Amino acid sequence: GAVVSQHPSRVICKSGTSVKIECRSLDFQATTMFWYRQFPKQSLMLMATSNEGSKATYEQGVEKDKFLINHASLTLSTLTVTSAHPEDSSFYICSSRGSGGEQYFGPGTRLTVT
Amino acid sequence: QQPVQSPQAVILREGEDAVINCSSSKALYSVHWYRQKHGEAPVFLMILLKGGEQKGHDKISASFNEKKQQSSLYLTASQLSYSGTYFCGTEMGTDSWGKLQFGAGTQVVVTP
Repeated sequence: GAVVSQHPSRVICKSGTSVKIECRSLDFQATTMFWYRQFPKQSLMLMATSNEGSKATYEQGVEKDKFLINHASLTLSTLTVTSAHPEDSSFYICSSRGSGGEQYFGPGTRLTVT
Repeated sequence: QQPVQSPQAVILREGEDAVINCSSSKALYSVHWYRQKHGEAPVFLMILLKGGEQKGHDKISASFNEKKQQSSLYLTASQLSYSGTYFCGTEMGTDSWGKLQFGAGTQVVVTP
C-alpha cells in the first residue's frame, strides 16, 4: 500500500503561536490529500481536502483562515494551525486515496497547545 | 452525514466471534473499515463498493447490503491482535470522492 508520512509526530506550542504540520506521500504522487482531526476518544472528522496547485476545500464549520493548507507539490501537503488555542489540541492525520479507493493514513501529529 | 455504528464496545475472549454494524440513512458509494490502536493512526482493513459484496482478510470479513445501506464487519476466531477501535467510513458518491464520514467507532477488547 501507499506510504504517507507526517512530521512532526508530536508538537507542543504556546497559545497564540502557529504550528505547521507536513504530510508527504513517499512512494506515489498525490494530487489530492485529506486532513482529518481526532479529539480524544472520538471519531475522525474530515477537515479539508488539499488539492495540488489549487485552493483547499474545507468542510462546513472548519475555519479556512485558521487552518491554512498548502499543497505546493505532488508529494507534500502542509497544514498550518494559526494562532493556536488549547481547544485546537488534537490528533491531526492526513491521508491519501489509493487507486482502489482505499485511504492510506499518515501516522498522525499530536498537537498540544498550552 | 455520520454513519451509525454498533455496538459501542465489545469484550471477547480469544477465539470468540463478533459482529460490528455500520448503517447510513443515505445511499452509499462505498464502505471502508479501519482499525485503530491507541495512539496510532487508523489502518485500512478493507473497502466494499456499491453493488453489494463481501470481502475477507484472514479471519476478518465484511459485507455490504446496498439495499439497506448497511455494512457488517465479522471478526472470526478473534486473536489478541484484533483489539482496538474499529471505524467504518462511508463515501457517498463520486462527487465526494475520497471524503470519508466516519462512524463513532467500536472498541474491541480481546482477552486471553
